[in-house]
Amino acid sequence: DAGVIQSPRHEVTEMGQEVTLRCKPISGHDYLFWYRQTMMRGLELLIYFNNNVPIDDSGMPEDRFSAKMPNASFSTLKIQPSEPRDSAVYFCASSLTGVSSYEQYFGPGTRLTVT
Amino acid sequence: ELKVEQNPLFLSMQEGKNYTIYCNYSTTSDRLYWYRQDPGKSLESLFVLLSNGAVKQEGRLMASLDTKARLSTLHITAAVHDLSATYFCAVDLYSGGGADGLTFGKGTHLIIQP
Repeated sequence: DAGVIQSPRHEVTEMGQEVTLRCKPISGHDYLFWYRQTMMRGLELLIYFNNNVPIDDSGMPEDRFSAKMPNASFSTLKIQPSEPRDSAVYFCASSLTGVSSYEQYFGPGTRLTVT
Repeated sequence: ELKVEQNPLFLSMQEGKNYTIYCNYSTTSDRLYWYRQDPGKSLESLFVLLSNGAVKQEGRLMASLDTKARLSTLHITAAVHDLSATYFCAVDLYSGGGADGLTFGKGTHLIIQP
């Protein structure tokens, strides 16, 4: 099993540019989560999907952020326009219903730097 | 709002010693997770605790859950340098049998010195 796959692993962009982060969950998993990690705020949930449907986006910081899951094997997190305060590591995680633990498996993360 | 508090946030200890990391949370939940993160890496799942009184052990690490006290502990026995990492506890507010997003503590940065 390849695990959760994220791309790119590193992204450096200038303020005002559009940034798209990508995630491929573990095959067969029906939940997908996006988290952000910063020194100041720690690990925060941004949004999560169940069977490709957004369930809770209350953690999305503002309208500049949007997330989609067009199919069971792909999700994107887009920031437009990007700002320096968006610099963080963005993690994608997936889990499977029916497994009692609902354990979440994390991808390697995308380190975003906005200059 | 669910709050998760860990203490200590920083711990420096010697190899061979025992210590405990504490995780308190503010709202009733029966699912508590422990993760490990090495510098510059992702989160690795250590334990999932699903019920009051649950205890799990893996090597020198043992985790327990007291849902009535809203407290989980991660105990380290005879620490070795390889256990140096940041440890996070996390809680979710699942309902109706579904999953939920995790609320994380700030993490405990553990350094184990020879």
